[in-house]
Amino acid sequence: AQSVAQPEDQVNVAEGNPLTVKCTYSVSGNPYLFWYVQYPNRGLQFLLKYITGDNLVKGSYGFEAEFNKSQTSFHLKKPSALVSDSALYFCAVSPPTGNQFYFGTGTSLTVIP
Amino acid sequence: DAGVIQSPRHEVTEMGQEVTLRCKPISGHNSLFWYRQTMMRGLELLIYFNNNVPIDDSGMPEDRFSAKMPNASFSTLKIQPSEPRDSAVYFCASSPPSNHGYTFGSGTRLTVV
Repeated sequence: AQSVAQPEDQVNVAEGNPLTVKCTYSVSGNPYLFWYVQYPNRGLQFLLKYITGDNLVKGSYGFEAEFNKSQTSFHLKKPSALVSDSALYFCAVSPPTGNQFYFGTGTSLTVIP
Repeated sequence: DAGVIQSPRHEVTEMGQEVTLRCKPISGHNSLFWYRQTMMRGLELLIYFNNNVPIDDSGMPEDRFSAKMPNASFSTLKIQPSEPRDSAVYFCASSPPSNHGYTFGSGTRLTVV
């Protein structure tokens, strides 16, 4: 069965500190992996994706994520958090065949000034 | 590109009334998805279409919910009769044939009183 786990409902980090939002997955074959961000009262916005190639992918707003096949993880990172990064973050996985995404339950990130 | 367009942005209706939510996907995208988001259940896939054909409607909660996609540029999600527990934000998303990412609409916030 395909699934995505975001083990932390809430992450708090001080402004200027590095942040990590965790994601692990279970999918058959080589997955496509995605991160989306949702600001209050808005739809989900695409941040970055891993399809193939370099395990470290860079996305919007200075975010990056590392695909780790052995640990089946795709953690989202940023070297220096901003207060404006406070939002809800969703990890998603899609099997290479078919076009249905499986979303995690979301992690609420709060960056403290 | 105007992105995925949903209407209305907000809908308040009385219990028992029919509600119709509308979505216009991005031109050239061949898959369309309807999601529901609540605090309790998070992001739930209701139904998705591929080339205007419903592929998986297992997420549709009850027979009160129905979705159509009469052509490649329009889809509706109908609730009849509506109930207070249907109150949620409903998102539409579309994706291209490459399956390299969804684009979400801004959502419709439905309140059933």
